Amino acid sequence: GDSVTQMEGPVTLSEEAFLTINCTYTATGYPSLFWYVQYPGEGLQLLLKATKADDKGSNKGFEATYRKETTSFHLEKGSVQVSDSAVYFCAPNQGGKLIFGQGTELSVKP
Amino acid sequence: ETGVTQSPTHLIKTRGQQVTLRCSSQSGHNTVSWYQQALGQGPQFIFQYYREEENGRGNFPPRFSGLQFPNYSSELNVNALELDDSALYLCASSLGGGRTDTQYFGPGTRLTVL
Repeated sequence: GDSVTQMEGPVTLSEEAFLTINCTYTATGYPSLFWYVQYPGEGLQLLLKATKADDKGSNKGFEATYRKETTSFHLEKGSVQVSDSAVYFCAPNQGGKLIFGQGTELSVKP
Repeated sequence: ETGVTQSPTHLIKTRGQQVTLRCSSQSGHNTVSWYQQALGQGPQFIFQYYREEENGRGNFPPRFSGLQFPNYSSELNVNALELDDSALYLCASSLGGGRTDTQYFGPGTRLTVL
């Protein structure tokens, strides 16, 4: 079945460090790809999306490019802040159904 | 513009009881999806409603059921509660039920089954 694999956390970085969170997926069709972020005790917030191959989604300094040939959608940010500490979820949307992995917890230290 | 709202925020039930969770979709959205998120896990798709009809279901037993109303708000009902049903239940609304439609999530309902 369809699935998502994210790099295991927790990931701990110092403020202003470069961030990469790897995400690969398996899907029977041609999904759109999403990154969501979840702050402690809250629901999920959309971070960015890409709907077709080679599209780049971006928001708040975060970027991810839809790589169909490697079925990947890695999240990057050039300089993280303490306020970026949260759990990040990569989620393909297959026919209206979001498929989530286990999430990657990011902790940014001052 | 009001976002997605859910009620109640927290709920405690005992095994065997029934529970109803509610979700109000974002203005202009006609699709509601429900997800279950166990502690430390990613959300799992329960089902989706599009214009009052079920439009896809995940791997959940029939004791999980739902409704969507003409104003596109929705309910999730769970019968015969089990301990493993303890989780955060998330509702998301979207403009449609397709693969490109962004789903916007509510804050969730935390259900504890004792």
